[in-house]
Amino acid sequence: AQSVTQLDSQVPVFEEAPVELRCNYSSSVSVYLFWYVQYPNQGLQLLLKYLSGSTLVKGINGFEAEFNKSQTSFHLRKPSVHISDTAEYFCAVPGGGADGLTFGKGTHLIIQP
Amino acid sequence: DAGITQSPRHKVTETGTPVTLRCHQTENHRYMYWYRQDPGHGLRLIHYSYGVKDTDKGEVSDGYSVSRSKTEDFLLTLESATSSQTSVYFCATGDTLKGTEAFFGQGTRLTVV
Repeated sequence: AQSVTQLDSQVPVFEEAPVELRCNYSSSVSVYLFWYVQYPNQGLQLLLKYLSGSTLVKGINGFEAEFNKSQTSFHLRKPSVHISDTAEYFCAVPGGGADGLTFGKGTHLIIQP
Repeated sequence: DAGITQSPRHKVTETGTPVTLRCHQTENHRYMYWYRQDPGHGLRLIHYSYGVKDTDKGEVSDGYSVSRSKTEDFLLTLESATSSQTSVYFCATGDTLKGTEAFFGQGTRLTVV
């Protein structure tokens, strides 16, 4: 079965500083990986996804992630965060069949002024 | 934005009463999902559907049932609500099994008292 582990439940960072949110996955099949963002009181929206090809994936709002097969990781990065990036971030991997995505437990990104 | 509407957005109900949450999509997506979101657990799959009248259980299906009589509607029923079902419920849709973005509704906040 596919699974993802988000290593940090909460990451505080100062505004304009860089940030990395960590995600490790386990999968016995071809890997597709996703990062979603959830702003307060809203649903989830896709930040970026890795399907194949270049291991560096660029997404919306200046975020990017790097797929590392040897380390089974898909860490999310942003070089300079803004107060508006305060949100919950979820890493996800497809399930084994028609059962949608399996999500990590989420990382709450807290931007400090 | 994908057209996914959840109703109601907020509901307070008493223990032991039945509750039905509705998800309506205008995207003609084949796959639909119900998740619940709880602090420290991320999103967990309750039930999913891979076509009209085709549904299956997810990770946390006990106490829940679903129905899908039309492509656009996916109903989640709590047969006899319990306090442990107090949660935020999200509907999601998708067009293919893997490698595709899942589109989320805005969520329904359910409180069982």
